[in-house]
Amino acid sequence: DAGITQSPRHKVTETGTPVTLRCHQTENHRYMYWYRQDPGHGLRLIHYSYGVKDTDKGEVSDGYSVSRSKTEDFLLTLESATSSQTSVYFCAIRITGGRAEAFFGQGTRLTVV
Amino acid sequence: DQQVKQNSPSLSVQEGRISILNCDYTNSMFDYFLWYKKYPAEGPTFLISISSIKDKNEDGRFTVFLNKSAKHLSLHIVPSQPGDSAVYFCAASPLGNEKLTFGTGTRLTIIP
Repeated sequence: DAGITQSPRHKVTETGTPVTLRCHQTENHRYMYWYRQDPGHGLRLIHYSYGVKDTDKGEVSDGYSVSRSKTEDFLLTLESATSSQTSVYFCAIRITGGRAEAFFGQGTRLTVV
Repeated sequence: DQQVKQNSPSLSVQEGRISILNCDYTNSMFDYFLWYKKYPAEGPTFLISISSIKDKNEDGRFTVFLNKSAKHLSLHIVPSQPGDSAVYFCAASPLGNEKLTFGTGTRLTIIP
């Protein structure tokens, strides 16, 4: 257990509504990541953060925004949810940005209907 | 543009034999490579890693090999056990960059 909590764990929402997923860590690690997992695509990076208020885009960032106002929390927002955003979302933390492993949360299963 | 590729979506291996999972990458700036294991309804868990200054790293039943000239790494599990049945992801990180890029995964099934 790397001290990562994702909330909610499951959510069903309607197309067009905004949704916010939360990742909370207790380790005060600098680097935090949001990934989505889809069949045939593996884990794809949505956004990541290298410090408070410091974020950058990953490979599938369209339709998503993030915020990190405190070291321990990294929020992922779907501005207007679409069915293509139905997925399992994973948060990860990393001690350093280079030669270090990442530790993952348990995931959030999001269904957009 | 898939920078980290796992070309085998699935692999079945007899219990007790060796499992070999493969991963290819295209970005020559990748400096650090990792393998993760994932069970259903759980987050991925770290297995083993290797930096570009090495060509082999071993941890118990798990060994990772890196061939930089071929841009190829592999994970060997020996002997394979039923609990090894899971999806395995390889990942890579460039030198001096925080991004961590994953492959598409290989589902390993160990046959008792």
